[in-house]
Amino acid sequence: GQQVMQIPQYQHVQEGEDFTTYCNSSTTLSNIQWYKQRPGGHPVFLIQLVKSGEVKKQKRLTFQFGEAKKNSSLHITATQTTDVGTYFCAGQYVDMGRRALTFGSGTRLQVQP
Amino acid sequence: GAVVSQHPSRVICKSGTSVKIECRSLDFQATTMFWYRQFPKQSLMLMATSNEGSKATYEQGVEKDKFLINHASLTLSTLTVTSAHPEDSSFYICSARENLRETQYFGPGTRLLVL
Repeated sequence: GQQVMQIPQYQHVQEGEDFTTYCNSSTTLSNIQWYKQRPGGHPVFLIQLVKSGEVKKQKRLTFQFGEAKKNSSLHITATQTTDVGTYFCAGQYVDMGRRALTFGSGTRLQVQP
Repeated sequence: GAVVSQHPSRVICKSGTSVKIECRSLDFQATTMFWYRQFPKQSLMLMATSNEGSKATYEQGVEKDKFLINHASLTLSTLTVTSAHPEDSSFYICSARENLRETQYFGPGTRLLVL
């Protein structure tokens, strides 16, 4: 079946440093979504990328969708302690007419003040 | 933004009992709802996709007789864990998607502990 790989699994940074997580799909995606889950919380939708090569920004967060629509990245500039959490990518593909969302394994971000 | 509620938030039960978890979309109609399971520090695993008025589609390896899903209305889906065992202890999260939209909105999750 379809797989979505995400790296790194864990990253510990000093406050103010940048952070990037990468997502790779085994098959072409119709779109990719990013979620953030705080410790003890539930996933919260951040953004959706649909077009090949798309780049979107939300304040210090920059999201990219690869040209082949099989990979994506989330970059956080100048991390803050409020960025702590696990970031999941989720790839959407059409499987036998059914739209399914496959989550990556997540990248847990720890920010040292 | 769209709100999805889940009840109960936490449940402890004895082995062999059944537990029902409700998922409600509060301010939109959810033609599709999803049920996920998440083990500590792991990713979300899709268990089943439920469309209003039809049978749920279960992912490979998920027992449909064990995890009963009912999506009786456009705002409510229920997951019943039948004859729960300790290995069913987990964090169960539902999400809901509005018709013709791609974004899923997640409920706060239900922590199930089976003794």
